[in-house]
Amino acid sequence: LAKTTQPISMDSYEGQEVNITCSHNNIATNDYITWYQQFPSQGPRFIIQGYKTKVTNEVASLFIPADRKSSTLSLPRVSLSDTAVYYCLALGGGGNKLTFGTGTQLKVEL
Amino acid sequence: NAGVTQTPKFQVLKTGQSMTLQCAQDMNHNSMYWYRQDPGMGLRLIYYSASEGTTDKGEVPNGYNVSRLNKREFSLRLESAAPSQTSVYFCASRGNTIYFGEGSWLTVV
Repeated sequence: LAKTTQPISMDSYEGQEVNITCSHNNIATNDYITWYQQFPSQGPRFIIQGYKTKVTNEVASLFIPADRKSSTLSLPRVSLSDTAVYYCLALGGGGNKLTFGTGTQLKVEL
Repeated sequence: NAGVTQTPKFQVLKTGQSMTLQCAQDMNHNSMYWYRQDPGMGLRLIYYSASEGTTDKGEVPNGYNVSRLNKREFSLRLESAAPSQTSVYFCASRGNTIYFGEGSWLTVV
């Protein structure tokens, strides 16, 4: 599993767009970049996954440059309910020992 | 459409007592995991099972044992609970992505 590096925390205000960048320099060819969201007292839940370029769903967008050494999770117009920890993983066929980094604590204020 | 189910949700143990956390998934996944999460901290991998009949140590296996009873079930056992094992425990299974249970809150007094 490729090591990932994210900012420890970010602050934002309601209505703003938030971009969280994850670095994964040693990503393997078969790895997908996957993002999870965790609210207090809950297990992480899947947000979005991509291999390259751009992926968008009803919750977020994921931007992955051609070299795939980093990715950016974009949350449009955040609200208070988006306050959570966000984890980035490079998930693929390279092994089953799944370890999570510290994640990014996003705090959204009024 | 249960996904990953963990029991119990809450448990209080006395130091030295033993208990087993149960986990079951209904998605026919091969890989299953146990994590612990202490307050304000990230997820730490305790043990994992890549397939039925196999288990491997994660980052923090000391004080725990696991059993992959069948493809559906993966249990975590604390043989002699210690206060340092007070934590929230999450079970997960892996398909195209990872699915987590709702967590088991364990307090050791």
